[in-house]
Amino acid sequence: SQTIHQWPATLVQPVGSPLSLECTVEGTSNPNLYWYRQAAGRGLQLLFYSIGIDQISSEVPQNLSASRPQDRQFILSSKKLLLSDSGFYLCAYLKQNTEAFFGQGTRLTVV
Amino acid sequence: AQSVTQLGSHVSVSEGALVLLRCNYSSSVPPYLFWYVQYPNQGLQLLLKYTTGATLVKGINGFEAEFKKSETSFHLTKPSAHMSDAAEYFCAVSGRRNYGQNFVFGPGTRLSVLP
Repeated sequence: SQTIHQWPATLVQPVGSPLSLECTVEGTSNPNLYWYRQAAGRGLQLLFYSIGIDQISSEVPQNLSASRPQDRQFILSSKKLLLSDSGFYLCAYLKQNTEAFFGQGTRLTVV
Repeated sequence: AQSVTQLGSHVSVSEGALVLLRCNYSSSVPPYLFWYVQYPNQGLQLLLKYTTGATLVKGINGFEAEFKKSETSFHLTKPSAHMSDAAEYFCAVSGRRNYGQNFVFGPGTRLSVLP
């Protein structure tokens, strides 16, 4: 069966520090992978999606970047965090375009 | 392109009362439709989905939803609310084409259940 791992679960980082959030998927190959952000009291904002290795599409301009160095690994990064980067980050993969599976999320607080 | 609207960012019901969470979608292709639930500080869990076949779909925890093409709706219902149903609920639509950006969520509805 497919599983998706996301870590860390919580993270507190100072403004200006770098960020790296990792997401890995098991039990499937060539998945479509997604990074979403959920700000407090708001819905899901699609940040990046990837249909294959080194194939990344950005949905919104921002202080973040994404990379996919391996088929089942998706990394969300920032060189210098802003206060506005605080939020709940969710990684997901799409199974045959019929269902999205989510990781448990990372609560990022930028202080 | 697809889009989703959810009427009511916050819905409150009494324990034992009917739950009705509204979802309307737009899609240029036949849609797949989903309801997800999110508990605090957790990822999203699939409640139910419509792909093809029967338009009344039953999911986990006693929830069900009906796909009404004429109304472009996929409302979520539960006959009797339980305290454990308090959570955020997201409706989502996906088109039947394997494009990476082809999975769109609504803004979510927070359900509160009052004792």
